[in-house]
Amino acid sequence: DTGVSQNPRHKITKRGQNVTFRCDPISEHNRLYWYRQTLGQGPEFLTYFQNEAQLEKSRLLSDRFSAERPKGSFSTLEIQRTEQGDSAMYLCASSLVPGEDGYTFGSGTRLTVV
Amino acid sequence: AQSVAQPEDQVKVAEGNPLTVKCTYSVSGNPYLFWYVQYPNRGLQFLLKYITGDNLVKGSYGFEAEFNKSQTSFHLKKPSALVSDSALYFCAVRDHGGATNKLIFGTGTLLAVQP
Repeated sequence: DTGVSQNPRHKITKRGQNVTFRCDPISEHNRLYWYRQTLGQGPEFLTYFQNEAQLEKSRLLSDRFSAERPKGSFSTLEIQRTEQGDSAMYLCASSLVPGEDGYTFGSGTRLTVV
Repeated sequence: AQSVAQPEDQVKVAEGNPLTVKCTYSVSGNPYLFWYVQYPNRGLQFLLKYITGDNLVKGSYGFEAEFNKSQTSFHLKKPSALVSDSALYFCAVRDHGGATNKLIFGTGTLLAVQP
């Protein structure tokens, strides 16, 4: 386990469908972050887990979005009733000591809602 | 609130020339600053960070960055650019507020190195 793994890499879905993404962080990292990146923008923070506890959610995370991290290991991000505006790259990152050891990002899941 | 600004959407340099990608920051307290690089359809790759210590920070792939407290800047530099350096570069600051210590990113600078 040498990095953060995200699946799937790409997802195309029809508007109104539900989608779920998975993130497997570096095994010893207890902190996990989800970000969203739209074209021409920097990544924007969505939510944060410390172990299994979800400690912060951005206002960008509408009621249609839910994230979990059972047992403090992998995490899932679900989007219900997808909209075209949800099309973006969803990035996951993990870290051990907050910030000082850097944050390791996965390759992301690119969502296209048609 | 913490923030970073990348004033240039795009930077073009010729291969072999030095490159600079600019970043300025606004933070309360001591800044933790980062540079990441992103290749097309890929995630972010860590280049370097400034936490404390020497103002000149050396990172991966020959990149370095200079922390300037008086100018609140953290510019990314490389003495001799390669075509393979062409990518999207992001400056980020760690948010000190709250317990998350999340990163706050700039809008990115597209670096184009021309052969």
